[in-house]
Amino acid sequence: QVQLQESGPGLVKPSQTLSLTCTVSGGSISDGRYYWSWIRQPAGKGLEWIGRIYTSGGPNYTPSLKSRITISLNTSKSQFSLKLTSVTAADTAVYYCAREGCGGGSCYTDYWGQGTLVTVSS
Amino acid sequence: SYELTQPPSVSVSPGQTASITCSGDKLGYNYVCWYQQRPGQSPVLVIYHDNKRPSGIPERFSGSNSGNTATLTISGTQAMDEADYYCQAWDSSTTRVFGGGTKLTVL
Repeated sequence: QVQLQESGPGLVKPSQTLSLTCTVSGGSISDGRYYWSWIRQPAGKGLEWIGRIYTSGGPNYTPSLKSRITISLNTSKSQFSLKLTSVTAADTAVYYCAREGCGGGSCYTDYWGQGTLVTVSS
Repeated sequence: SYELTQPPSVSVSPGQTASITCSGDKLGYNYVCWYQQRPGQSPVLVIYHDNKRPSGIPERFSGSNSGNTATLTISGTQAMDEADYYCQAWDSSTTRVFGGGTKLTVL
């Protein structure tokens, strides 16, 4: 059973960089069949896809956040990370890491972390 | 960017059929998946590849996708199905997008 666990500061000051790490267990992060994704959800609002990465290619980012995001992979630690620069209160959300599988032109997120709340406030 | 539109809320009586729609330009040429999110929990995949159910998802969940609309159908809706539901599809060849979500109420 694949498990994902987010970790990182729960409070970030405006204009600073949000940094989160996701640790994957029960499956290989080097498995080229899967992407490793970040998704966020502001309180009381919907899901927002942030981006993804996999070992066989570069990262993909949502256009609205592309200039501020970096997603990276550390296969030796079975971890992947999210960095979001120049944060504002609008970046306050629960951040989920997840595994995305693809096949036949179709992709879907089959495993999710429990989510971690990040609040942007001074 | 590509937009997916869902109704904010849908109500259904127990035992009846609930239909939740997801609309987008030429969505039928896209692949759609659906997630269920209960309060305080992480989302769960209930439909992928338009109409396939992951292992462990009850048969009462089904999906379709044609034209500009994808539909999640829950037959014989149970109280435990009350949750938020999100559709997801390709935004571009490499990025993904979620619909705004639909709150399903089982009255």
